[in-house]
Amino acid sequence: DAGVTQSPTHLIKTRGQQVTLRCSPKSGHDTVSWYQQALGQGPQFIFQYYEEEERQRGNFPDRFSGHQFPNYSSELNVNALLLGDSALYLCASSFLNTEAFFGQGTRLTVV
Amino acid sequence: TQLLEQSPQFLSIQEGENLTVYCNSSSVFSSLQWYRQEPGEGPVLLVTVVTGGEVKKLKRLTFQFGDARKDSSLHITAAQPGDTGLYLCAVSTDSWGKLQFGAGTQVVVTP
Repeated sequence: DAGVTQSPTHLIKTRGQQVTLRCSPKSGHDTVSWYQQALGQGPQFIFQYYEEEERQRGNFPDRFSGHQFPNYSSELNVNALLLGDSALYLCASSFLNTEAFFGQGTRLTVV
Repeated sequence: TQLLEQSPQFLSIQEGENLTVYCNSSSVFSSLQWYRQEPGEGPVLLVTVVTGGEVKKLKRLTFQFGDARKDSSLHITAAQPGDTGLYLCAVSTDSWGKLQFGAGTQVVVTP
C-alpha cells in the first residue's frame, strides 16, 4: 500500500499565477481533506471532499478551490497566488471518519 | 485565539534527558490526538486519548488526558535523536473528521 501520495513535492510560482496540487488517497479511503501549514505553525483546514463534492470548508478565500475524481483522488487549485500562500500543503485521506493519514506534502514557494 | 495552545514552542535537549510538552485549551473535548511530524513529511498519528484522566504509553512516550478533558501532556523518557520532530496536538471538531491543530512544539534531541 503506497499510502497517501502527493505531487509535486516542491513547486515555485510567481505572484499572480495559478497552481494545481494533486493527491492520491490511501487505498480504500474515500474522503480527502486539504490543509495548509505555514512555517512554524500547525496545519490549518482548507476543505474536505467526499463523493466528489466539497463537504465542508475552512476559513480560506474562494481563490482556493478543489476537485475530487471518481477514483477518490483530489486536486487543490489556488488562483492569483500571493506571497502569503507560501506553505506546505498537506493532503489527508480517511474512511468513515476513522484515522486520517497524511501525505508528505507539497512545499509551495511564491516569489 | 488558538483553540489549542501548545507549550513550549521549542525544546532542545541532550540524548537521555526527559521532556514534557503540553497542550491546553479552555474547551472540553471528547478526544484529543497527538501527532509527530518530521521534516519533509506529513504528521503521523501517535495516539488518541478519549477518557478524562487517561494515561497511554507508547514505548518511551507517555500521554495523559486531563481529568476535565481540556488539556493533555506528552512525556518522553530518555529521549533519543530519533524523537526529534514537531509534536502536534489536534482535536476533531465535527463528525466528519475535520482536525484543528495546535501550533506544535519543535523538539530537538542532540546526541
